[in-house]
This record gives sequence, structure tokens and C-alpha cells, in this order.
Amino acid sequence: DQQVKQNSPSLSVQEGRISILNCDYTNSMFDYFLWYKKYPAEGPTFLISISSIKDKNEDGRFTVFLNKSAKHLSLHIVPSQPGDSAVYFCAASGGGSSNTGKLIFGQGTTLQVKP
Amino acid sequence: NAGVTQTPKFQVLKTGQSMTLQCAQDMNHNSMYWYRQDPGMGLRLIYYSASEGTTDKGEVPNGYNVSRLNKREFSLRLESAAPSQTSVYFCATRGQLNTEAFFGQGTRLTVV
Repeated sequence: DQQVKQNSPSLSVQEGRISILNCDYTNSMFDYFLWYKKYPAEGPTFLISISSIKDKNEDGRFTVFLNKSAKHLSLHIVPSQPGDSAVYFCAASGGGSSNTGKLIFGQGTTLQVKP
Repeated sequence: NAGVTQTPKFQVLKTGQSMTLQCAQDMNHNSMYWYRQDPGMGLRLIYYSASEGTTDKGEVPNGYNVSRLNKREFSLRLESAAPSQTSVYFCATRGQLNTEAFFGQGTRLTVV
């Protein structure tokens, strides 16, 4: 039972345009959400996060939006740069007593930014 | 300041062999995690440890055991390796809840 889902395996955008990566979750008890970026042969690195008490968090070119009623979050990258080409994972934590402290990831979306 | 260190970086095992993947952190974090990454499957949680001496199963614990003997180290053991355990394994640590986790560089394991 996949609690965190990224339904788009890949995304290709032109340099300078907006990249929108999507993530859905099923457990309404999740209260903290994160996005990670991963280059080949490296460990994932933290990008941005959002608490369930907020609906938006911005850090430079990266903005995460949370829609709790739809159990959906998205990552916007504006403007996209070739160096942003990587695999992006969303993750969630919380989830009630059975999941406390666990960090559950989605399947990942491979972003390609074309020059 | 190494952060999260995983050893080894690469390993080839024969089916049925055993091995232990090591993870050590110098960040004084309570929580530690083991994940495996497979194509199309993302990062799947194998085991989780909230603190020294405690462990909990994740999404895919079968075929694995873990040990959290102290705050710094969290090891993952494969008692009898199978080809289905061919994967890239990542260790991660996290301080407080609702903060980010930090990952090691990964161990690429091939079981033939």
C-alpha cells in the first residue's frame, strides 16, 4: 500500500520555464512533507519542506504547495535551470502512532531541463 | 565532519551469503533509517530506529535484520542474500521530528 505516490515518472521542460512536480498521499495523519533531489551515484539531498499547518513555503526558486483536502503537494521550480536535472522525491512523516517518526518516500520523478 | 558514512560503497555477494552494511553518523541524531532504492520503486523504508536500542519495521523488512547498539551506529544485516536484494541501500539520520533527514552516499549491492 503506497502511502506516498508520484504518478509522473518523468518530466521534461525548457530552461527558464516552470517545472511542476506533483505528489499525492493517502494518510491524512501525515503532518510534515519534504522534497529531496538526487543526482546519480549520490545520496538524496534535502530541498524544501512544509508543515501541515501551512499551505505554501518558498525558498528562492523553489516553492512547495500543500492542499490538505486533496492530499496533494507540488513543487514549483521557477525558473528551471539545466543543473536542476535530477530525480525528485517527495516524502511525508507523521501518520499517527503506527508511523510516528517514519519518513515515507514516493517513487520519484526524473526532471530533465533542456538548455 | 563526515555527516553520515556508509560502508562499503560497493559489494557483490553470491546467493546465500551474508553481510552487514554499516552506517555511522556524527550528527548526534536520535533517528536513523535504512532505505533501498530500486528503479520505479523510489526509496522504500526497510527499518527505522527512533533511538538507541529501539527498532521498527518499515515497508519492506523481510530478509533483513538491524541493530542499533549505540546512538552513532545503525547496521543492516542480510542473513542469506537473494538476487531480489540487489539494490542501492541508503542510510539516513534525523534529529527532531519535522526536520529534514540527512543521507549517506549509498551502498550498491549486487547479489548473483
